[in-house]
Formats: sequence, structure tokens, C-alpha cells
Amino acid sequence: DIQMTQSPSTLSASVGDRVTITCRASQNINSWLAWYQQKPGKAPKLLIFKASNLQSGVPSRFSGSESGTDFTLTISSLQPDDFATYYCQQYNSYPYTFGQGTKLEIK
Amino acid sequence: QVQLVQSGAEVKKPGASVMVSCKASGYTFTNYYLCWVRQAPGQGLEWMGEINPGGGATNYAHKFQGRVTMTRDTSTGTVYMELSSLRFDDTAVYYCARGGTYGDYDVWGQGTLVTVSS
Repeated sequence: DIQMTQSPSTLSASVGDRVTITCRASQNINSWLAWYQQKPGKAPKLLIFKASNLQSGVPSRFSGSESGTDFTLTISSLQPDDFATYYCQQYNSYPYTFGQGTKLEIK
Repeated sequence: QVQLVQSGAEVKKPGASVMVSCKASGYTFTNYYLCWVRQAPGQGLEWMGEINPGGGATNYAHKFQGRVTMTRDTSTGTVYMELSSLRFDDTAVYYCARGGTYGDYDVWGQGTLVTVSS
């Protein structure tokens, strides 16, 4: 199975900050990576698909990039609504696997 | 609009089975895969498997093979996930989600809490 190692597990930041969350795949996943945002008691929401493509309706302050097996989610200027937990997921090969999650907290 | 609506919360005893349903609407049911993802209390997301509603083919995570069955009813646009031999650590919120154009999950159900308790 492909392991997805996400870091950090917790991130404290302030409104207006630029933040970066990283996900490393244990093998090549051919850009088949998604990022999701989840708020307490709610279903996950798709932010980014195929590593760097912004899902329709998602604010442009969210962006994704990749370098080999390393993937990054960047929020350019944190807004109050962005404090949540973020997950990466590979869908290159079965079983599809998620990272452990990054909880983004208010500093 | 595109929507996935799941069945309600369940309480089951260890060793029992549970079936959760997910009714799709607002799109052509047979054109998109549907998956099941679960989340134990305070934990992360765990992919369980997916089904192709068109032909019924399934892929299950190794962890659940032998205990999970995913089926679909094309007449009602509903997929079902049955998990058998329930254990206490199967207590979780179970989500269905639609596979988007590239395989990512672009639409999610509201979640169904399954509690395993004696």
C-alpha cells in the first residue's frame, strides 16, 4: 500500500498568515493527489485535485504543488473560515490512502 | 443539485452486521464511482473501498476484505455498504463520496454514525 506522510500534524497560525502543509508519498503517484478540508462534525470538502487543480468554488488563496513524491497545500492568506483539519489522499492505486491529517489552529 | 443522502445512525452489538445506504441524485448514477470512507472518533479518514455503479465492480481495502460488501441498486440510484462481524473499533462515522472526473471525491454524503456497543 502507498503510505502518505503528512506534516505537520498540528499548525498554529494567525489570520493573514501564509501556511504550507506537506504530504509525502511512499512511491510515485503520478500527480493523483487530492487535498480535503474538514470541519468538526462535517464531511470533508474537496479543495485540490490532481495535485494542483483548484476545485470549482474554492477560493484562490488555496493552491497545490508537487515536486516528485512531495506535495504541498498552500493557503496564501489565512481567513477565519480556514481553521480546520486538512487531509491529502492518493488515488493512483488501490487501496487509496489518506494522510494522517493536519489540524490548523488559531494562534 | 448533486447530492448524496445517507441513512440514519445505527447502534449494533458486537458480531452483528450493519448496512448503510447512500442515495444519489442530481446526476447520472451509473457514470461515477462511489466510495466509502470511515472516521473513528477523533481519528483520521480511512478508505474502505469503492463500487462502480455502472457494472457493480468493487475494490475493497485489504483490511476490510471478507467483512465488507458494497452493492448498488440502479433503479433507485442507491449504493449500500454492509459491514459484518462488527467490533467495538468499528464505531465510526461512515461517509459515501462520489468519484469525480479524475477519481478524487467531489461530493460527500452527510455521514452515518455507527456505534458498536454491548
